[in-house]
Amino acid sequence: DIVMTQSPDSLAVSVGERATINCKSSQSVLYSGNNKNYVVWYQQKPGQPPKKLIYWASTRASGVPDRFSGSGSGTDFTLTISSLQAEDVAVYYCHQYYTTPHTFGQGTKVEIK
Amino acid sequence: QVQLQESGPGLVKPSETLSLTCNVSGRSIAGLSFCWGWIRQSPGAGLQWIGNVCYSGSAHYNPSLRGRVTISVDTSKNRFSLRLTSLTAADTAVYYCVRSEEILNWFDLWGQGTLVTVSS
Repeated sequence: DIVMTQSPDSLAVSVGERATINCKSSQSVLYSGNNKNYVVWYQQKPGQPPKKLIYWASTRASGVPDRFSGSGSGTDFTLTISSLQAEDVAVYYCHQYYTTPHTFGQGTKVEIK
Repeated sequence: QVQLQESGPGLVKPSETLSLTCNVSGRSIAGLSFCWGWIRQSPGAGLQWIGNVCYSGSAHYNPSLRGRVTISVDTSKNRFSLRLTSLTAADTAVYYCVRSEEILNWFDLWGQGTLVTVSS
């Protein structure tokens, strides 16, 4: 199985400041056939299912504010919230869909400082 | 707009079988080219993919569940189901039904989730 490891487990950021979450996969999730990284980022708020934010590692989903961005390739990926807002308090997960079994990071809890 | 809604027992005894149903509303699933599946979430194990059944009829399961799982689709009732046998306390989790466009793709639609507790 591909292991997805996120860091940090939690972080507290002031409103308006940048939040950065990292995700490392135990093997490359870059498919050479289409040069795409098979990583998606989800946001989960309490009592709700995860919601897709970023797919193909860097493509923002429809309706997602442009303060959210994804980057990285191969085994190292980053989700950045450029200017944290109060409504961004949530747990964020990376997920690889390069191969089955699908696997997820353990989650990063983002709070307001 | 397509929506997913899980239903099933909230409490199941150890060694018994869990059966959950996901009702699909908003559009008929017959003929749609999607994969339908299940993911569970627990404090200890985090998010765990259980498996998917795709429009081609192919089924894909997490090997860690060691043959205990079956997912089936009933197009006549516009729903799909999860069957998980030989339950233990480790199967206690929130179970989500999900949709993806193909087996190697993200999950773009989720149900609200249903808590299943395994306890005597």
